Order: sequence, then C-alpha cells, then structure tokens
Amino acid sequence: EDKVVQSPLSLVVHEGDTVTLNCSYEVTNFRSLLWYKQEKKAPTFLFMLTSSGIEKKSGRLSSILDKKELFSILNITATQTGDSAVYLCAVEAQQGAQKLVFGQGTRLTINP
Amino acid sequence: GAVVSQHPSWVICKSGTSVKIECRSLDFQATTMFWYRQFPKQSLMLMATSNEGSKATYEQGVEKDKFLINHASLTLSTLTVTSAHPEDSSFYICSARGSGEKQYFGPGTRLTVT
Repeated sequence: EDKVVQSPLSLVVHEGDTVTLNCSYEVTNFRSLLWYKQEKKAPTFLFMLTSSGIEKKSGRLSSILDKKELFSILNITATQTGDSAVYLCAVEAQQGAQKLVFGQGTRLTINP
Repeated sequence: GAVVSQHPSWVICKSGTSVKIECRSLDFQATTMFWYRQFPKQSLMLMATSNEGSKATYEQGVEKDKFLINHASLTLSTLTVTSAHPEDSSFYICSARGSGEKQYFGPGTRLTVT
C-alpha cells in the first residue's frame, strides 16, 4: 500500500526562525513528489520534485528530493507569521490516472 | 490561469437527504478530475478519480452508490452524496488536471449533515 509520512506533525517556532519539514514515502512506480500549503481552504501548490538532488527554490522556501532514501524536505527560512499553515506532502504514482497520496501534514505555527 | 471552482462553498443538509457538489475548471479543459475528503485535522483522502465521459474509479472503502460522481463534460464534475448522514460531514475538495501534470485544487465545500 502506498504511504506518505510527514514529520513533525506539529511545529511551533518564533518569527525569524528556520524550519525543516520532512516527508518520507513508500510508493509503487513513483512519478513525482509535491508540496502544498493549506490554510483555511484548499491546498495551494508550492513545489513539484521529480529528480533527486536538485533543489527547487521560491523566495524563502526551498525543497529537495532524495529518491534513493525516499524522502524530501521543505525548508522555510526567516519565517513570518503568514507562513503559519498546514504543509502537505503528496506523492504521485505513475499508474492509471496518476493519483496523489497525501501525508498527514505538518501544522506549522509561527509566533510573533 | 488554471482556476477550479466549487459550488456551494458550504452546505447544511438534513440526515437522509442528498446533496450535490459541483466542480468546474474555469479556464482549461480537465480530462481528469479527482474528489478528496478531508476530516478535521486530517489529511486529504482520495475518494475517486473521474475521466470525462466514463465511469469514476473509486478508492477502496468508498461506496460508489453513496457518492455518485458524474463527469459529463471537460469542465464539470459533480459529486452527489446520497442519503447523507452526520458521519458524512466533512470538507470535500476537487482537483482537476488538464493536459499538463499538475492538479489544480478547488476551494472546497464544507458539508454539514444535521
């Protein structure tokens, strides 16, 4: 059975801190790994990773994938209160309609 | 571009009634649409995958006769929760994929069954 596990489940830090969120996976026929940010409504797309070792960066956020060890990390530097959200990791399997399997999410709270 | 809408955003219905949720891709043609359910403080769980013009593929444990999915056109999919019960209360989110690889998520529909 395909599985995605995120850690930690919850994280509280102060504004300005740097955080690292983890995502490990076991999936048949891996195609890609995606990171989403979810505030009150639907998830918003952050990154799609398909190749090992290539960092993707967007402002203060960056992510990298290790296909040998089957994990990814999402880094957020100089955190701001607006970064408070649930961060979801999902893995896309290359079978049929290429469905997404989501992890439980990491609830990140940034205190001022 | 790549906007997905859902309607309604929130619905309250009585136990035993049916409710229909619409998912529309506004500026692209969605060959595949996905329906997810999210309970409070839990992650998204895929319920079913639908391709335009064909029957939906349901995930294990999801009752196809209870959650009716219709993907009648390339821009519209509907999810009907039949004979709703309080345990069906949840946040239902659709996503749509066009010719590219990304899935674009709708804003979600909060269903409360009383």
